[in-house]
Amino acid sequence: DTGVSQNPRHKITKRGQNVTFRCDPISEHNRLYWYRQTLGQGPEFLTYFQNEAQLEKSRLLSDRFSAERPKGSFSTLEIQRTEQGDSAMYLCASSLQGFQEKLFFGSGTQLSVL
Amino acid sequence: DQQVKQNSPSLSVQEGRISILNCDYTNSMFDYFLWYKKYPAEGPTFLISISSIKDKNEDGRFTVFLNKSAKHLSLHIVPSQPGDSAVYFCAADRGGADGLTFGKGTHLIIQP
Repeated sequence: DTGVSQNPRHKITKRGQNVTFRCDPISEHNRLYWYRQTLGQGPEFLTYFQNEAQLEKSRLLSDRFSAERPKGSFSTLEIQRTEQGDSAMYLCASSLQGFQEKLFFGSGTQLSVL
Repeated sequence: DQQVKQNSPSLSVQEGRISILNCDYTNSMFDYFLWYKKYPAEGPTFLISISSIKDKNEDGRFTVFLNKSAKHLSLHIVPSQPGDSAVYFCAADRGGADGLTFGKGTHLIIQP
């Protein structure tokens, strides 16, 4: 399978716990994005990497959120001290840098904070 | 504020007929537009796109129309098939580092 892979598919946690999600992009893609989608909304941009550099962060990304992409390959998104409002689908997408690039999405990680 | 608006949360169409999904945008800096299709428990998959220098792009049963002066685009699916039942997202790109801006989606239901 050469698509974008995300793990885990589902995560249930208690409020206040830390969680970490992983994304493996399409291997030749140098750009990686994290989005969040809540019920009834479209995906909302969180952050973006070009290779290993994190180039943009949304104001939606509070200090409790941190993302990394060591060596420009897979990426992790960590949420510390989770809150019920963090419950959402977290989507990862990758693309090949270029003009009018298309994003390819993974299946997402559904987070439920109890 | 919603820069990309899909004002119809849902749309029901009979199998074999034409489905028309609409999208409006407010940011004149957007120069590339995409439609994504999403099934439950899956990520969005790319369907079709259009550059702002064009007013139409066609791919099989799918055609996207762009009216720049009205800041409006539409996706036509003809003929509609049961497998087309999904949520369709309109997305726009202004070429910045913040990726795509998505609408809230339209749930298309194809009735047999």
